[in-house]
Amino acid sequence: EDKVVQSPLSLVVHEGDTVTLNCSYEVTNFRSLLWYKQEKKAPTFLFMLTSSGIEKKSGRLSSILDKKELFSILNITATQTGDSAVYLCATGANSKLTFGKGITLSVRP
Amino acid sequence: NAGVTQTPKFQVLKTGQSMTLQCAQDMNHEYMSWYRQDPGMGLRLIHYSVGAGITDQGEVPNGYNVSRSTTEDFPLRLLSAAPSQTSVYFCASSYSGLGGIGANEQFFGPGTRLTVL
Repeated sequence: EDKVVQSPLSLVVHEGDTVTLNCSYEVTNFRSLLWYKQEKKAPTFLFMLTSSGIEKKSGRLSSILDKKELFSILNITATQTGDSAVYLCATGANSKLTFGKGITLSVRP
Repeated sequence: NAGVTQTPKFQVLKTGQSMTLQCAQDMNHEYMSWYRQDPGMGLRLIHYSVGAGITDQGEVPNGYNVSRSTTEDFPLRLLSAAPSQTSVYFCASSYSGLGGIGANEQFFGPGTRLTVL
């Protein structure tokens, strides 16, 4: 059975802090790892990673995949209150996505 | 482009009733899927389809039926609703790309909040 584990489950930071969100996986026939942001509505896509060691970046967010150690991290620098959300990690394999339980990030002013 | 649309947005059912959640996409995506989301559980896959006429079960298929007669539509049927099916339901679709079918970015609909009394 495919498994995706995210940590921590929740965290609270202050504006301006840098945060690192973790995602580890055990998946057969791994093809991709995806990150989504969810703010009380449908998830919105952030990144898709398929190759180890290649950082993907979008503004203050960045992500990298390690296929040898089976994990990915999502970094958010200079956090803002608008970054408060649930961050979902998912692996793509065998024609489907398997999601972790999500990390709830709260950014205090 | 409307993207992925779902109806209804909210629904309240009594135990034992049946209903169909509608999902449509106008992006000509081959792949469509249904998820349920419960507090603290992430998204769990109910059923998915890799193309018209082809469906398969996900992680939590019991109590749900799907069909895919066209590329655009992927309805989810609750056969006899139970309180355990109270949840938020998301439909999603994706193209077949770098990750392979089903393993690429999925575009989500706005969701249906279902309560079963």
